[in-house]
Amino acid sequence: IQLTQSPSSLSASVGDRVTITCRASQGISSDLAWYQQKPGKAPKLLIYAASTLQSGVPSRFSGSGSGTDFTLTISSLQPEDFATYYCQQLNSYPPFTFGPGTKVDIK
Amino acid sequence: QVQLVESGGGVVQPGRSLRLSCAASGFTFSNYAMHWVRQAPGKGLEWVALISYDGSVTYYADSVKGRFTVSRDDSQNTLYLQMNGLRPEDTAVYFCAKERRGFYGEHWGQGTLVTVSS
Repeated sequence: IQLTQSPSSLSASVGDRVTITCRASQGISSDLAWYQQKPGKAPKLLIYAASTLQSGVPSRFSGSGSGTDFTLTISSLQPEDFATYYCQQLNSYPPFTFGPGTKVDIK
Repeated sequence: QVQLVESGGGVVQPGRSLRLSCAASGFTFSNYAMHWVRQAPGKGLEWVALISYDGSVTYYADSVKGRFTVSRDDSQNTLYLQMNGLRPEDTAVYFCAKERRGFYGEHWGQGTLVTVSS
């Protein structure tokens, strides 16, 4: 299963609503995770099962979708949200494929 | 609190071997599957291997199959990645990750850098 993410990068301002899309080459039900990674740091799980917010993650993050099309939305971008975001499928494995990433930087 | 600490990285010549370790604490290690994930410099995340909670099942990426072996020692709360026949393209930061049910990578270590170069 291949994952594509769009856009590959985006520039946004604090307070903006940001949406990142992940598309799977075949249906993966809701077996999708979203991670945030900052430079030099380990990834952090944000969303699992496509739409379930991981404990401790701010509610401005949300996920939706099933089948082949998924979105990660940040409702109001905060300074600490500038990072790279990856989706990962956990439906058909191995491998547990990651998407190529979406870099969110400051406009 | 959950803590994962990788070690064993370094500079190694092509064709040589290296064993990475991931020391786990703060949870019942034997109850959880564990992943290895790597990230080449400036690149995205690449899943490498998974071992089931009891060690009975292992999965590998095609890029490492036959060269890498994942194992665990529950008595030592430690995960291992034995890497043989290393290639320059194996150069990366290697992360271990504890699963959340469903194999999601819930907690991650800080990573250890492996550089394969002559």
